[in-house]
Amino acid sequence: NAGVMQNPRHLVRRRGQEARLRCSPMKGHSHVYWYRQLPEEGLKFMVYLQKENIIDESGMPKERFSAEFPKEGPSILRIQQVVRGDSAAYFCASSPPGQGYSSKQYFGPGTRLTVT
Amino acid sequence: SQQGEEDPQALSIQEGENATMNCSYKTSINNLQWYRQNSGRGLVHLILIRSNEREKHSGRLRVTLDTSKKSSSLLITASRAADTASYFCATDAFLQGAQKLVFGQGTRLTINP
Repeated sequence: NAGVMQNPRHLVRRRGQEARLRCSPMKGHSHVYWYRQLPEEGLKFMVYLQKENIIDESGMPKERFSAEFPKEGPSILRIQQVVRGDSAAYFCASSPPGQGYSSKQYFGPGTRLTVT
Repeated sequence: SQQGEEDPQALSIQEGENATMNCSYKTSINNLQWYRQNSGRGLVHLILIRSNEREKHSGRLRVTLDTSKKSSSLLITASRAADTASYFCATDAFLQGAQKLVFGQGTRLTINP
């Protein structure tokens, strides 16, 4: 079974451009979580989605950031008009249906975003 | 301050020695999890301990949980060079109006050959 897939693994954007990060959960998983990690720090929760629903976006910045998990296709984390402070590693995790936050999460390899 | 805080922030030991990392948290929890992150990689789940459990083992890993002190420890016995990584505890905490998995800052463990 393939694990959680994320692409691209590395993304470089100039200030003001848009960044799109993709995450395909493990087969059979219906819960997707996005986290951001700054260097030498732990992961910070951003958003929790199920198919076609945002369950909890309390960790998302109010502006420029959005996330979706459509019926078909991967989950997308979109950052508009990127700024240098958006440079970080963004991790996606998934978990099986019927299991929420309290369950084990399976992480992807991450996307390292660099804003120049 | 953080819901989960690891201690120490960094730990360097010789191969073969035991490594102990601690985690403290603030709110009540259903369970606590430990994850490992190798440099530049995603997180790998190590062990989950429920709030009604006091100790759990998995291979060379031993996790304890003391809910009265709101703390947990991760012990790695007979360490190997391959154990070099950052270790994070994560708790399911109710924050900002919803339950979510909250990670600590991590302990960077270095095993010297």
